[in-house]
Amino acid sequence: KNEVEQSPQNLTAQEGEFITINCSYSVGISALHWLQQHPGGGIVSLFMLSSGKKKHGRLIATINIQEKHSSLHITASHPRDSAVYICAVPLADRGSTLGRLYFGRGTQLTVWP
Amino acid sequence: DAGVIQSPRHEVTEMGQEVTLRCKPISGHDYLFWYRQTMMRGLELLIYFNNNVPIDDSGMPEDRFSAKMPNASFSTLKIQPSEPRDSAVYFCASSSWGQAYEQYFGPGTRLTVT
Repeated sequence: KNEVEQSPQNLTAQEGEFITINCSYSVGISALHWLQQHPGGGIVSLFMLSSGKKKHGRLIATINIQEKHSSLHITASHPRDSAVYICAVPLADRGSTLGRLYFGRGTQLTVWP
Repeated sequence: DAGVIQSPRHEVTEMGQEVTLRCKPISGHDYLFWYRQTMMRGLELLIYFNNNVPIDDSGMPEDRFSAKMPNASFSTLKIQPSEPRDSAVYFCASSSWGQAYEQYFGPGTRLTVT
């Protein structure tokens, strides 16, 4: 069983659409990451958040610690947003795993012009 | 800063050969992580170091895999002997205590074992 579940697995959108990607996790955490993996393979950290909401440009990440759920939103989507978006959590209740990340399987987003 | 540096970027080798992947973390970072990414299993942590000391190697698949961090600016991941199922992209990432959960990834090494 994967402790980090993402949905949807694949997402196709038209340029300009509002995008939502969801992440659920099964254990208590202190922070959650959203990562972006470009078609070329590079991985970039988008957000690290432990409560509430963070915004960076057209990207917004929210987290509800009580419900163990986070969402990544993209407003006014653009073809350059096409990438795999990965949710990751540090499962600190597994002993001395501070900093160790467990990953969702990712959401492949394709935005068409 | 140049970011996390990995070499080689691509490696093709024959089954049974030794493979060494290299990583230079961001200067000042005291955590270093090795990850493997495959289509079947996604991203998985193999091992991580704190201040050059291995903290958690429970993700290392088997004894054929070993990792070292002889100093704060260099780490290696070695596979000996390599097998076709080791084919994957191997990422190195680093972070600092003050941002313990925010990790910076290298470009990855694409390993193909034939």
